[in-house]
Amino acid sequence: KNEVEQSPQNLTAQEGEFITINCSYSVGISALHWLQQHPGGGIVSLFMLSSGKKKHGRLIATINIQEKHSSLHITASHPRDSAVYICAVKSSYNTDKLIFGTGTRLQVFP
Amino acid sequence: KAGVTQTPRYLIKTRGQQVTLSCSPISGHRSVSWYQQTPGQGLQFLFEYFSETQRNKGNFPGRFSGRQFSNSRSEMNVSTLELGDSALYLCASRRGPPSGANVLTFGAGSRLTVL
Repeated sequence: KNEVEQSPQNLTAQEGEFITINCSYSVGISALHWLQQHPGGGIVSLFMLSSGKKKHGRLIATINIQEKHSSLHITASHPRDSAVYICAVKSSYNTDKLIFGTGTRLQVFP
Repeated sequence: KAGVTQTPRYLIKTRGQQVTLSCSPISGHRSVSWYQQTPGQGLQFLFEYFSETQRNKGNFPGRFSGRQFSNSRSEMNVSTLELGDSALYLCASRRGPPSGANVLTFGAGSRLTVL
């Protein structure tokens, strides 16, 4: 069993829909990252959080440390949101050694 | 402000050769970490550097090595290339030490193909 599990693996949505991507982990963590990867490979760091909730534009990330679970929400989805979203956990405070989930491929159609 | 720059972006090597990849972090960033992405294994941590010191290393064979220079630029080297080393190699930088709260900024990656 992977230490970081994401669901769903693939997600298709119509423009404007509310989207939720889930991440569960089985190890102790100091922080959790949500990353976005577009075709071509470049990765953008969306959020790094260790508790509570963060919001940036149409993106919201939440984390529940007790339940070892995080969610990434996209409100009013748009075709440009189509990408692979990757959850990664930082297992220790003093390192950037990340353990990655397998990613969720999102396609948003107009 | 320039982002994280990785060179070369694409390269093709043959089995048994060695390769060196370069990563120039954002100006002022002193932490650099490296990751490998393959279709089979996904993203995996390779190693990280802060102030020219390797702080942590992932579970990769000794053929994978790296270093960081005084200007924070980093290089990684893979010797005796194998077909399975074909991958996208990503580096990321942050302003402070790995314990800091700053987010990582990733480069566009170097795509290595081993024939």
